[in-house]
Amino acid sequence: EPEVTQTPSHQVTQMGQEVILRCVPISNHLYFYWYRQILGQKVEFLVSFYNNEISEKSEIFDDQFSVERPDGSNFTLKIRSTKLEDSAMYFCASNGQGEAFFGQGTRLTVV
Amino acid sequence: QKEVEQNSGPLSVPEGAIASLNCTYSDRGSQSFFWYRQYSGKSPELIMFIYSNGDKEDGRFTAQLNKASQYVSLLIRDSQPSDSATYLCAARGAGGTSYGKLTFGQGTILTVHP
Repeated sequence: EPEVTQTPSHQVTQMGQEVILRCVPISNHLYFYWYRQILGQKVEFLVSFYNNEISEKSEIFDDQFSVERPDGSNFTLKIRSTKLEDSAMYFCASNGQGEAFFGQGTRLTVV
Repeated sequence: QKEVEQNSGPLSVPEGAIASLNCTYSDRGSQSFFWYRQYSGKSPELIMFIYSNGDKEDGRFTAQLNKASQYVSLLIRDSQPSDSATYLCAARGAGGTSYGKLTFGQGTILTVHP
């Protein structure tokens, strides 16, 4: 069964460093998303992406964040200068016919 | 602020019983609603979705939607210990597309005890 895959599964980084989280959406899906979940809190929307551009973003998605689809398969989330409060699970999702399917997540720990 | 609210629980039911999970939403423009299951440390897994008022059944799961009351529920029949997880209710943002962002509730922790 097709699935969304994310790498790495766990990333530890120093505060102030840049990180890139990678996702391979389901192949025939056209809409892609990043969500995050801080430990013990709700899943929060960050950004949606369609046709090589951002279609919607939340207040969380500030200038420190960017997304890119560098080729036909990967979808990336970059955090330019990580802060302690960026520590969370980051989920990529893709949507083909109205339902969003989530990847297994990347646990980002900023130290 | 568009909100989705769930009772955080925990909800504890015996094996074989019906578990009833509830969710309310504040945005009257929301058109579609989703139930996800999330095991600890894992990603949300789609159980089912509902767009129309009334009931929708899929195996042991029944979703119910009442747009007038802004209320969504999920019934799990014949609950099994493997159903023990956090259940997330999500509403698709208003805007009429099938691809808009999801707004999640905080989740209800369900424990099914043998």
